[in-house]
Amino acid sequence: EDQVTQSPEALRLQEGESSSLNCSYTVSGLRGLFWYRQDPGKGPEFLFTLYSAGEEKEKERLKATLTKKESFLHITAPKPEDSATYLCAVLLNRDDKIIFGKGTRLHILP
Amino acid sequence: GAVVSQHPSRVICKSGTSVKIECRSLDFQATTMFWYRQFPKQSLMLMATSNEGSKATYEQGVEKDKFLINHASLTLSTLTVTSAHPEDSSFYICSAPGLAYNEQFFGPGTRLTVL
Repeated sequence: EDQVTQSPEALRLQEGESSSLNCSYTVSGLRGLFWYRQDPGKGPEFLFTLYSAGEEKEKERLKATLTKKESFLHITAPKPEDSATYLCAVLLNRDDKIIFGKGTRLHILP
Repeated sequence: GAVVSQHPSRVICKSGTSVKIECRSLDFQATTMFWYRQFPKQSLMLMATSNEGSKATYEQGVEKDKFLINHASLTLSTLTVTSAHPEDSSFYICSAPGLAYNEQFFGPGTRLTVL
């Protein structure tokens, strides 16, 4: 069964305290892995797409990396405005479906 | 990036009534759109794939007679929740893929509350 697991479920950090969010996946065929940011009451906002192991992408304080089994979203020196739920999702080869993880609720304390 | 809109953003209805939610791709065409529902503090669960000009494809456990999907044009898909009940209260989100599914653009969501 295709699965996407994110950890931790929730994370509280002090402003400026860097950390990483994990997304591990078990799927039959990976076409791509997405990272999204979701604010309360809003739809997901696209951050990155990763396609192959070893790939890295950066945007401001965020950096996403991909291995054959998992992806990490590194956040460097976070600010309170980075507080949100970060969702990982995989796009499958077989049918263009996207499977989401449950997300990590990130809270940055000022 | 491309923009997907949803209307309404919030709706409250009585039990037994039907509610229609619209999903529009504003500056691009989408032959396929996806409908998700999200419960509080839960992830997005795919309900169905909406296909322009053909029938929608529903995920296992999703009642197609209850959640009617119509993809009337290359920029509009609608989800109608028929005979809504309180357990249908949720956050409904649509998405449309970009080029070669490299990106998925999500709408802002519709909060449905059934009294």
